[in-house]
Amino acid sequence: AQSVTQPDIHITVSEGASLELRCNYSYGATPYLFWYVQSPGQGLQLLLKYFSGDTLVQGIKGFEAEFKRSQSSFNLRKPSVHWSDAAEYFCAVVHYGGSQGNLIFGKGTKLSVKP
Amino acid sequence: GAGVSQTPSNKVTEKGKYVELRCDPISGHTALYWYRQSLGQGPEFLIYFQGTGAADDSGLPNDRFFAVRPEGSVSTLKIQRTERGDSAVYLCASSLNQGALNEQFFGPGTRLTVL
Repeated sequence: AQSVTQPDIHITVSEGASLELRCNYSYGATPYLFWYVQSPGQGLQLLLKYFSGDTLVQGIKGFEAEFKRSQSSFNLRKPSVHWSDAAEYFCAVVHYGGSQGNLIFGKGTKLSVKP
Repeated sequence: GAGVSQTPSNKVTEKGKYVELRCDPISGHTALYWYRQSLGQGPEFLIYFQGTGAADDSGLPNDRFFAVRPEGSVSTLKIQRTERGDSAVYLCASSLNQGALNEQFFGPGTRLTVL
């Protein structure tokens, strides 16, 4: 069955430092991959997505992610973290084939930002 | 409204009671998804509607859970004989059309607590 693994439950970084959140997926074919952010009291917001083509994708709020097929990974990065980035981040893969679009999420990584 | 809305935002009920959770999708969106997010977990797919019909209800945990979307817009998730294990945040998302290429927009969720 498809699955998404986010190995880090909680990460703390200093403001201005770089960030990398890890995501691994299991799926035989090329997956459709997503990163969402969830702030307290807010709905999930799409940061970026990968369907095909260039393996480095740019998203909103200065985030980017790189798809690496050989490692089954889709890690999220940001060169300089802002205090407002503190939130929970979810990696997701769309269910087989993508014709319906229902998502399979990882357990999330909570990001804390130190001043 | 501009986004997906869900009511109520919080619902506290007693074990064995019946509850209804409502989702108002973005106007014109034909696809609607329900997810459940338990504490410390990522959202888990419950059911997906395309128009008025439930195209995929494979994520509903058992027959106590049921959802409708009679006019192809508002959807109601119904839970009978609630159990303490049903306590979670129930998320609704809508997209313009079905399929992975259409971004899902999430509502803020309904937090259900079963005492």
